[in-house]
Amino acid sequence: QLQLQESGPGLVKPSETLSLTCTVSGDSISSSFYYWGWIRQPPGKVLEWIGTIYYSGSTSYNPSLKSRVTISVDTSKNQFSLKLSSLTAADTAVYYCARQGAAGTLAYDYWGQGTLVTVSS
Amino acid sequence: DIQMTQSPSSLSASVGDRVTITCRASQSISSYLNWYQQKPGKAPNLLIYAASSLQSGVPSRFSGSGSGTDFTLTISSLQPEDFSTYYCQQSYSTPYTFGQGTKLEIK
Repeated sequence: QLQLQESGPGLVKPSETLSLTCTVSGDSISSSFYYWGWIRQPPGKVLEWIGTIYYSGSTSYNPSLKSRVTISVDTSKNQFSLKLSSLTAADTAVYYCARQGAAGTLAYDYWGQGTLVTVSS
Repeated sequence: DIQMTQSPSSLSASVGDRVTITCRASQSISSYLNWYQQKPGKAPNLLIYAASSLQSGVPSRFSGSGSGTDFTLTISSLQPEDFSTYYCQQSYSTPYTFGQGTKLEIK
């Protein structure tokens, strides 16, 4: 059974950089059939796509966040990571990692449980 | 960006009712439309992909239809566990975008 688990700090100060890691178990992150992505949801608000990465390291980012976002992959650890810089209160959200089909549907079929990140001094 | 608009934003219904939720894209997205169910404090769960394909393990009372710009999610006979929030999402082009959600409540 595939599982994804986010890890990282729950509280980050304004202007600092958020670092989150998603550990994948039950399947190889090096599969050519999937992308791996980050999605966030501010409290009580809509889901927002942050970006996605392929096992090769190819990335795609939301233009609204592109200048602040870096997604990377570590196939040896079966993990992928998110860095988001220059944080403000508007970045307070539950951050999810998820698996996305690489062909056809491009739907997110497996999600982590999510981790709440609060940006506050 | 492609804008996704769901209607209604909220809906009250009873167990056993048939309900339909609509999602409209700001431009044609072919059949690259997915539906998710989200319960409070939980991650979204994929129900329907490619507009009308039922995800494995999802009850057959859920169905999806549409193509181009107009899509629907139908629940044929509401069960108590179906009362939650539903989101559509386009995967036609990046940035992938979600609808604002439809909260389905018990009448």
